[in-house]
Amino acid sequence: DTGVSQDPRHKITKRGQNVTFRCDPISEHNRLYWYRQTLGQGPEFLTYFQNEAQLEKSRLLSDRFSAERPKGSFSTLEIQRTEQGDSAMYLCASSRPTEIYNSPLHFGNGTRLTVT
Amino acid sequence: QQPVQSPQAVILREGEDAVINCSSSKALYSVHWYRQKHGEAPIFLMILLKGGEQKGHDKISASFNEKKQQSSLYLTASQLSYSGTYFCGTDPYYNQGGKLIFGQGTELSVKP
Repeated sequence: DTGVSQDPRHKITKRGQNVTFRCDPISEHNRLYWYRQTLGQGPEFLTYFQNEAQLEKSRLLSDRFSAERPKGSFSTLEIQRTEQGDSAMYLCASSRPTEIYNSPLHFGNGTRLTVT
Repeated sequence: QQPVQSPQAVILREGEDAVINCSSSKALYSVHWYRQKHGEAPIFLMILLKGGEQKGHDKISASFNEKKQQSSLYLTASQLSYSGTYFCGTDPYYNQGGKLIFGQGTELSVKP
């Protein structure tokens, strides 16, 4: 179990630029989640995948955000035309395929995005 | 719909006990508890399912009262390593996996 890996750890970008983050889940986990966390708040759900299928997207997620998990392994989260309000920590998590209803989330260390 | 945690912050001396509460306005199927240290990933502590069960691990335990839609996390004989921010994550549905709604967190500081 090597843990959930996220890249990059930090990203500084100018407003209006596009950014892409990568998440590598724990290898036997078939569910992958993206959350966003701002200072002093709990993680906020964005979207999740079961294998390569994106099963749900938060209504709070604007159409500037898109996520993919092309082969059911790693996932990417892209933000187009970034805004200062997008500045946050983006957390990826994965969970085991069995015991879905009581499956803990394994989080990565996150990508901290700063939009200037 | 976000669960409400209380207190928002607590300072303890080593060896003291603490209780963190998590209340929801919606009926819940399960409650997860996580601890996050500054700059690190949230770490899973435990899950409680509908049924009012109580769980424990070492000196950390939790209860889930589904009628009150409330869960409590109990930390006894606190250690310095318990410092961090504690989050409850609630799930109103069966088999939704990890699509959790997290509270705003309770910051716990344990002093020597």
